[in-house]
Amino acid sequence: KNQVEQSPQSLIILEGKNCTLQCNYTVSPFSNLRWYKQDTGRGPVSLTIMTFSENTKSNGRYTATLDADTKQSSLHITASQLSDSASYICVVTSNSGNTPLVFGKGTRLSVIA
Amino acid sequence: DAGITQSPRHKVTETGTPVTLRCHQTENHRYMYWYRQDPGHGLRLIHYSYGVKDTDKGEVSDGYSVSRSKTEDFLLTLESATSSQTSVYFCAISESRGKDTQYFGPGTRLTVL
Repeated sequence: KNQVEQSPQSLIILEGKNCTLQCNYTVSPFSNLRWYKQDTGRGPVSLTIMTFSENTKSNGRYTATLDADTKQSSLHITASQLSDSASYICVVTSNSGNTPLVFGKGTRLSVIA
Repeated sequence: DAGITQSPRHKVTETGTPVTLRCHQTENHRYMYWYRQDPGHGLRLIHYSYGVKDTDKGEVSDGYSVSRSKTEDFLLTLESATSSQTSVYFCAISESRGKDTQYFGPGTRLTVL
């Protein structure tokens, strides 16, 4: 069964610190992997998208990595800000099936002063 | 929110009543989706549309119907609302299925008493 598992479920960090969120998937065949940021009360917004051949992609203070061999991805946030407080959702796209997008349950990040 | 609006944004209704949620886009994207988001679950696909009058079921379609009479509008109907349909509903759009980023609307919070 196609699945996306994210860890940790929640995380609290101090402003200015770095953190790393994890995503493991069993989706096959693999097409791409996206990280979304969802602020409370808002819809998800795409941060990065990576295909099979890409190992790293950055978007400002956000850096996503992908290891297609081990089927793992991470999202690293550098010098966290209060505005980084949100849920981060890993989404893996398959090349087939009626529901090609498989969503993780998300990691809830809280950045405190 | 990428030219996507949802209405209403909040609704409280009683069990057994019909409910229709509306999604409107100004991006002229071919694909439109309805998801629900519940605590402890990732976003789950209810129905999607790949063109005017062309729709298909997602993984949690029971109890829901959809219609798309114009490119810009995608309606989600709960024929007879139940308490299990209390959720936050998100509409999303994309240019193609799977490969392209999905852009999400602001969500509709539905409470069924």
